[in-house]
Amino acid sequence: QSVLTQPPSISAAPGQKVTISCSGSNSNIGNNYVSWYQHLPGTAPKLLIYDNSDRPSGIPGRFSGSKSGTSATLVITGLQAGDEADYYCGTWDSSLSAAVFGGGTMLTVL
Amino acid sequence: EVHVVESGGGLVQSGRSLRLSCTASGFPFGDFAVSWVRQAPGKGLEWLGLIRSSLWGGTIDYAASVKGTISISRDDSKGTAYLQIFSLKAEDTAMYYCARAPGWGANYYYFDHWGQGTLVTVSS
Repeated sequence: QSVLTQPPSISAAPGQKVTISCSGSNSNIGNNYVSWYQHLPGTAPKLLIYDNSDRPSGIPGRFSGSKSGTSATLVITGLQAGDEADYYCGTWDSSLSAAVFGGGTMLTVL
Repeated sequence: EVHVVESGGGLVQSGRSLRLSCTASGFPFGDFAVSWVRQAPGKGLEWLGLIRSSLWGGTIDYAASVKGTISISRDDSKGTAYLQIFSLKAEDTAMYYCARAPGWGANYYYFDHWGQGTLVTVSS
């Protein structure tokens, strides 16, 4: 049972927009920055978003993040076949003194 | 260019201990925290722990689920961090990743460069 809650799966057609939610509490998302990761099992996870909404260099603008209260959202626009992967939100939990990840959302591009 | 490489995984008997290494290059290793994360077969990412830079005392936080069963350390002169797993169990079978963790203080960290992982398989 993850501290952060994400939908297990989501699907959409190429070119469409998807929104992945991440729900937490005041001890984690509510008072700390959120980051998002893209992962194909067996490969190195990739940082997509940090500090709630900032993109590292090299990450296209199709990926955007936001945070409101105790929830965060990753939006992917102009969906491509190469976006098919697992997506994880992450943050620090001040009560646990630990980093936490969401359970992950498997994105399928139809 | 930043490189992070894990090593030390393999097939290990249940009850044994194992030390994994995370060797990094392309940046001042001592200035960054390092975290370990694992993914068991069919499961999501599980954060294991983080060791801060000497600037923040080199302090370490562990996930409650593994506290007492693992130990994280670092040797800045070698640009390497370590994860020791004690008394391995079948449920420790996983891909183990390390990641560079920019950030500071008690609770501001994210993971910007990850290795490809090293696979640990625990046999009974």
